[in-house]
Amino acid sequence: DADVTQTPRNRITKTGKRIMLECSQTKGHDRMYWYRQDPGLGLRLIYYSFDVKDINKGEISDGYSVSRQAQAKFSLSLESAIPNQTALYFCATSDVHSYNEQFFGPGTRLTVL
Amino acid sequence: AQSVTQLDSQVPVFEEAPVELRCNYSSSVSVYLFWYVQYPNQGLQLLLKYLSGSTLVESINGFEAEFNKSQTSFHLRKPSVHISDTAEYFCAVSERGGADGLTFGKGTHLIIQP
Repeated sequence: DADVTQTPRNRITKTGKRIMLECSQTKGHDRMYWYRQDPGLGLRLIYYSFDVKDINKGEISDGYSVSRQAQAKFSLSLESAIPNQTALYFCATSDVHSYNEQFFGPGTRLTVL
Repeated sequence: AQSVTQLDSQVPVFEEAPVELRCNYSSSVSVYLFWYVQYPNQGLQLLLKYLSGSTLVESINGFEAEFNKSQTSFHLRKPSVHISDTAEYFCAVSERGGADGLTFGKGTHLIIQP
């Protein structure tokens, strides 16, 4: 079984719709992250969380919000999706003792029409 | 703040030939360095990492990378590539002791030609 799971794996939505991407982990890590990947741009950090009460903005947080429902769950929301949010989204986890090494989920491919 | 430069967006090589994927970083503090690999339609997997100690680090599938502090580089090498090495390779950096995510390069697509 995968240690970091993401749902849905693929999603097509329309401009203006609200959408939530979910991430769950069984690794027992406290730290969780959301990245987006665009062709030719690599991965960029959206939000990260060190525990359920600690949420931090990343490089590109505008247009996104997050919720850390539990140690194992970290959700990313697009309140009003726009086409330039079409991307591959990755959730990752890290352990406090792992020197910031990150463990990635399989990704969610989001298309906003 | 850190930054990572992967100068080559694509590197085509013939099977069984050697390959080097270049990575340079910029940081005002000491860093940890990582190489991740993304096979087609998959997530990212850690290939190797430099934390401290020996500047040459190796992976289980024949890749190696050398940390060069004076040149702020962490180039990835393999002496003989296989078709199965076709993938996107990402170099990433983290501030030593930091936890606020990794800074990634834009990636290098390694294309193995038969």
